[in-house]
Amino acid sequence: QLQLQESGPGLVKPSETLSLTCSVSGGSISSIDYYWGWIRQPPGRGLEWIGNIYYRGSTYYNPSLRSRVTLSIDTSRNRFSLKLSSVTAADTAVYYCARMAVVGGACDYWGQGTLVTLSA
Amino acid sequence: EIVLTQSPGTLSLSPGERVTLSCRASQSGTSLQWYQQKPGQAPRLLIYAASSRATGIPDRFSGSGSATDFTLTISRLEPEDFAVYYCQLYGNSLWTFGQGTKVEIK
Repeated sequence: QLQLQESGPGLVKPSETLSLTCSVSGGSISSIDYYWGWIRQPPGRGLEWIGNIYYRGSTYYNPSLRSRVTLSIDTSRNRFSLKLSSVTAADTAVYYCARMAVVGGACDYWGQGTLVTLSA
Repeated sequence: EIVLTQSPGTLSLSPGERVTLSCRASQSGTSLQWYQQKPGQAPRLLIYAASSRATGIPDRFSGSGSATDFTLTISRLEPEDFAVYYCQLYGNSLWTFGQGTKVEIK
């Protein structure tokens, strides 16, 4: 059974960079059939796609976040990472990692999510 | 930019009732999905490619539609179906989510 697990600091200071990693177990991140992506959800609000990465390193970003987002992938450790720079209070959210099908784009496996809050 | 508009925002219903949720896209994409999210949980894929049920999803859930108009139907609401439902459109290497419809107990 595929499992995804987010990890990283739960508190980030304004203007700093948010960094999260998603570790994948029970399957290979080097599959040709899937992207690996990040989706966030501010408290009490809806879902927002952040971006995806393919195992070969090609990336796709939400245009509204593109200037601040960097995704990377480490196939040797079966994990991928998110960096979001210059964070503000608007970036407080639960951050999910997910597997997305190359054909059709369905997000079929999700991590449990990790809450990232901006500290004073 | 594609915008997905879900309606209604909230539905108040009783167990056993039939539910119809709508998702309208500002332009067509490649594939439309539906997800269910319960409080404190990650979303769960229900329907992909507009009408195909994901693995393990009961057949009371069905999806239909094409181009810019899509529908999720729950034939008979079970107590565990009270949740928020999101549609998601994939197209041009972009993923867009609707704002969600909450199905609550009446």
